[in-house]
Amino acid sequence: DAKTTQPPSMDCAEGRAANLPCNHSTISGNEYVYWYRQIHSQGPQYIIHGLKNNETNEMASLIITEDRKSSTLILPHATLRDTAVYYCIVSDSGGSNYKLTFGKGTLLTVNP
Amino acid sequence: GAVVSQHPSWVICKSGTSVKIECRSLDFQATTMFWYRQFPKQSLMLMATSNEGSKATYEQGVEKDKFLINHASLTLSTLTVTSAHPEDSSFYICSAREIGSGGLRQPQHFGDGTRLSIL
Repeated sequence: DAKTTQPPSMDCAEGRAANLPCNHSTISGNEYVYWYRQIHSQGPQYIIHGLKNNETNEMASLIITEDRKSSTLILPHATLRDTAVYYCIVSDSGGSNYKLTFGKGTLLTVNP
Repeated sequence: GAVVSQHPSWVICKSGTSVKIECRSLDFQATTMFWYRQFPKQSLMLMATSNEGSKATYEQGVEKDKFLINHASLTLSTLTVTSAHPEDSSFYICSAREIGSGGLRQPQHFGDGTRLSIL
């Protein structure tokens, strides 16, 4: 069972920032937060991950609250090609139980 | 960036035949690869974890004799669906994790999936 809670869907206007929330209130100290997205009929694409500090790469920014119970993925300038299902996953990626358990994710629709 | 290649991308075959799907890490080595299955309008479900040089670990409810996994090298894992039937029709996706030196944990990178249709 997924350890995260995400809204089932969100809309965003093209060119605006998309902020996707994720609750992971039961996260443990050694678990990372991973974000992936899946465009229809393709494999998931890795976006970003973090432990407790905010992270930024060429695709997105990840903001993790100080208590680590929630996070927000930010796509700074959404385009139509960012329409996808976004998955927030917590995982102890260093241990023998390293698995990614996918929930239902958030369907982000970027509108022109 | 890390690239995972999956082949074939689409296969249609008759009921009772066996189908082999390949998963390759193109520009990195992976001691661990994962196999997922996704039915329409559902999320990915992990089927098994494939470790190079050892037996795969299957998730509960996944028949190991039906879904044969071989991970013979650090860049290749194969999934063979034996005696496939229409209910095995699904989207099969593999992923691989780059061998890392620790620190910020290396993420899994996914292939583009194989759509299997059994007639």
